[in-house]
Amino acid sequence: ETGVTQTPRHLVMGMTNKKSLKCEQHLGHNAMYWYKQSAKKPLELMFVYNFKEQTENNSVPSRFSPECPNSSHLFLHLHTLQPEDSALYLCASSPDFLSYNEQFFGPGTRLTVL
Amino acid sequence: SQQGEEDPQALSIQEGENATMNCSYKTSINNLQWYRQNSGRGLVHLILIRSNEREKHSGRLRVTLDTSKKSSSLLITASRAADTASYFCATDVDTGRRALTFGSGTRLQVQP
Repeated sequence: ETGVTQTPRHLVMGMTNKKSLKCEQHLGHNAMYWYKQSAKKPLELMFVYNFKEQTENNSVPSRFSPECPNSSHLFLHLHTLQPEDSALYLCASSPDFLSYNEQFFGPGTRLTVL
Repeated sequence: SQQGEEDPQALSIQEGENATMNCSYKTSINNLQWYRQNSGRGLVHLILIRSNEREKHSGRLRVTLDTSKKSSSLLITASRAADTASYFCATDVDTGRRALTFGSGTRLQVQP
């Protein structure tokens, strides 16, 4: 276990549904990340939060809405998704948002959009 | 194309053999990290090498960095079936942006 948990582990949703992904870290870190991993594509950084403030939004469509209520929790709210949004969504954390820090990843949420 | 690209895309070896994976990148970096991912799981950090380092070891792992060629290699010695996974390099870029950029990975299959 890496100290980063994600729920749910699997999610199937229709294009009109609204759902949320949850990430929690028990490491006392201050930076949290959302990544998207699609088949045969590099890991894509979506959002970065550092001390609860969003520091990076990598041109992510507005149908993905992140929320970081505190340094331990990170949510990704989903609405009106497209089938191409089906992917593994990974949450990660690090002590703070510095590139020389190791990132600790959760197990991911496998999302299928029908 | 992305900052870090691994080569080969897939590698199949027998248990006990060594596995070598390469990573090439385009712009100057401060450091390079290697991660491992078991199928459908999260990534696990393996090793970090700084731009002023040329080689680093951790157990059966050996990482080299050649900044003149903008490349790094990950060597796994005496491979085991449990080493079967995808391996990714991650680089920062020396432009002030602090996020890591991951490559597409090398899928390693170690046959028992």
